[in-house]
Amino acid sequence: DAEITQSPRHKITETGRQVTLACHQTWNHNNMFWYRQDLGHGLRLIHYSYGVHDTNKGEVSDGYSVSRSNTEDLPLTLESAASSQTSVYFCASSVVGGDTGELFFGEGSRLTVL
Amino acid sequence: AQKVTQAQTEISVVEKEDVTLDCVYETRDTTYYLFWYKQPPSGELVFLIRRNSFDEQNEISGRYSWNFQKSTSSFNFTITASQVVDSAVYFCALSGKYSSASKIIFGSGTRLSIRP
Repeated sequence: DAEITQSPRHKITETGRQVTLACHQTWNHNNMFWYRQDLGHGLRLIHYSYGVHDTNKGEVSDGYSVSRSNTEDLPLTLESAASSQTSVYFCASSVVGGDTGELFFGEGSRLTVL
Repeated sequence: AQKVTQAQTEISVVEKEDVTLDCVYETRDTTYYLFWYKQPPSGELVFLIRRNSFDEQNEISGRYSWNFQKSTSSFNFTITASQVVDSAVYFCALSGKYSSASKIIFGSGTRLSIRP
């Protein structure tokens, strides 16, 4: 069955370190998204991509970067992790155009920055 | 700018009661889409429904129903005869098809607790 997987599921890191969260989907969806979930804020969009080599900033993109070299993967990189980036991160994909179609979510990656 | 407001942070009801989760949205788009997602205690996000701005018909799916009213910019979700398994965080979301910020925006969520 097609799926979307995130790794690692849990990570603890230190302030200033570079961290990469992986997201891999096997649906062949063009659209992929990264959200972070924090208490009281719901899900906030970090970055999104509508296809290979396309990336766009979301509402909370500062301190994060993404790259899209193939259809299946959209890794999220924190260049220099900060305590404010402690959160649960969700990757998602969709097929019809991310603004109209159902989002399929990964299981989430819990990141703690000490 | 697009915005989704879920004013109810937490709701607690006794099993078998009916409960309505409110969702109010803001958008300048004439074509847009509204969603509800469920996040049970296990943490995954589950799609419940998508509704486009041209379809104001209410929808019912078992114990779940959705009331979309463009006049009040609301897309409320009602659970009839609630069950403990309905305990979860529920998110309302909005996207616009042709706006420059063409992506799905989520509300802050409503935590629903169903007491036995």
